[in-house]
Amino acid sequence: DTEVTQTPKHLVMGMTNKKSLKCEQHMGHRAMYWYKQKAKKPPELMFVYSYEKLSINESVPSRFSPECPNSSLLNLHLHALQPEDSALYLCASSQQGSDQPQHFGDGTRLSIL
Amino acid sequence: GNSVTQMEGPVTLSEEAFLTINCTYTATGYPSLFWYVQYPGEGLQLLLKATKADDKGSNKGFEATYRKETTSFHLEKGSVQVSDSAVYFCARSMNYGGSQGNLIFGKGTKLSVKP
Repeated sequence: DTEVTQTPKHLVMGMTNKKSLKCEQHMGHRAMYWYKQKAKKPPELMFVYSYEKLSINESVPSRFSPECPNSSLLNLHLHALQPEDSALYLCASSQQGSDQPQHFGDGTRLSIL
Repeated sequence: GNSVTQMEGPVTLSEEAFLTINCTYTATGYPSLFWYVQYPGEGLQLLLKATKADDKGSNKGFEATYRKETTSFHLEKGSVQVSDSAVYFCARSMNYGGSQGNLIFGKGTKLSVKP
C-alpha cells in the first residue's frame, strides 16, 4: 500500500477537455512533486512545491497548472493537452533535505485522444 | 554537471542467480544516493539509500555501497527471486546540505528473473 494516494488511476480525455489530477499524503511531508513518466523512461520532474509554495517549474508548458491547496494536497490541472502528453503522471512527497527519500504514488495513467 | 549512468538492460537471470546493476554518478557536491524499484503498473518505491561515502544501504536482500573514489553505487543481491522482476532506477539528489533534494534518475534497468 502506498502512502501517497493519486486519483484517478486512469484518465482519458480529449484535447479540448479540462481535467484535474489529485494527490494526497498524510505523512506531514512539506515537499511535494509532480513527475511525468513515458514508457520505458525514468520520471521527469515537472514541479516542486515546498511549504505549499511553487519552488521549481521545469519549463513545463502552461497547459499544465499545478496547485497546492494545503500541505496534504497537490493538484495538477490539465487543459488543451496534446497527444504527446499521454504518460504516467506521478506524485511524490518528502521531508525537507537532500538526504530524504521521496515517496511516490502509483500514478495516473493519462491518455489524450 | 549532474547525471547518473546505469547499465543498460534488460537483464535476464535465473532464479537464485547473483545480481549486479552498475550505477555511477557525476561528483558534483556530496549527493545522497538512492535505488528505487518500479513494479509493473505501480509507482516507484524506495529500495535503499546512502547519504555519505562508505555508507551501505540494504533492504530485502539488496545492498549498495556509496563509493566516493569510484563515484559508484552498484546494486547487488546474492540470490534473486522471480518476484524481483521489475525496473530499477538509480538516483542522486541534486542539492547539497539541507536544501530541497530534487532527484536525478538514471535511465532504469529492467530485470527479468526466470523460474
